[in-house]
Amino acid sequence: QVQLQESGPGLVKPSEALSLTCSVSGDSVSSYYWGWIRQPPGKGLEWIGHIFYSGSTNYNPSFKSRVTISLDTSKNQFSLKLSSVTAADTAVYYCARVGVGRDGFDVWGQGTMVTVSS
Amino acid sequence: QSVLTQPPSASGTPGQRVTISCSGSSSNIGSNTVNWYQQLPGTAPKLLIYNNNQRPSGVPDRFSGSKSGTSASLAISGLQSEDEADYYCAAWDDSLNGPVFGGGTKLTVL
Repeated sequence: QVQLQESGPGLVKPSEALSLTCSVSGDSVSSYYWGWIRQPPGKGLEWIGHIFYSGSTNYNPSFKSRVTISLDTSKNQFSLKLSSVTAADTAVYYCARVGVGRDGFDVWGQGTMVTVSS
Repeated sequence: QSVLTQPPSASGTPGQRVTISCSGSSSNIGSNTVNWYQQLPGTAPKLLIYNNNQRPSGVPDRFSGSKSGTSASLAISGLQSEDEADYYCAAWDDSLNGPVFGGGTKLTVL
């Protein structure tokens, strides 16, 4: 059974960087694509970016200058870094596996709430 | 403002059939397949329909999807109380070079 678990600080100060890690069990990050999606409180879902098993990435242009997604095959994890955060980045952040086609997120983490506040 | 357009709410009584629409454009739904996600209160989204009309293992056949042109629909037949959730459509967008989501539809079972 594939499971994903997000971890990282729940509170980040404005202008600082948000860093989250997604730990994968039951599958290898060396297969499939892996992605990050966020959901502001009371709002809909927003794709942040993908990382492919090769390590190449694909980012939402809305975040492109601020976002970095990386893969750590030795720890079977992938990570998200979002720099220069503002209150608008307050959201639940989900990691997910793209198990169907190039955009079908078939396994999700439980999500982690990140609040941007001083 | 979401790229894909969904009605904000829908409702039905137990046993009824309800449909949720999703409207897009030629760069997303018009040229790519549609996925649907179900998000129960306080939980992560779950893949409900993929490739327009395919159900992952474990999803009841009460849920079905269809696509025509630049629009798609999710139908739920034999509505049950546990179907009360938010439903999101999604599709790859060729302009964005990534997936886009609808704003979500909150389904209430009366």
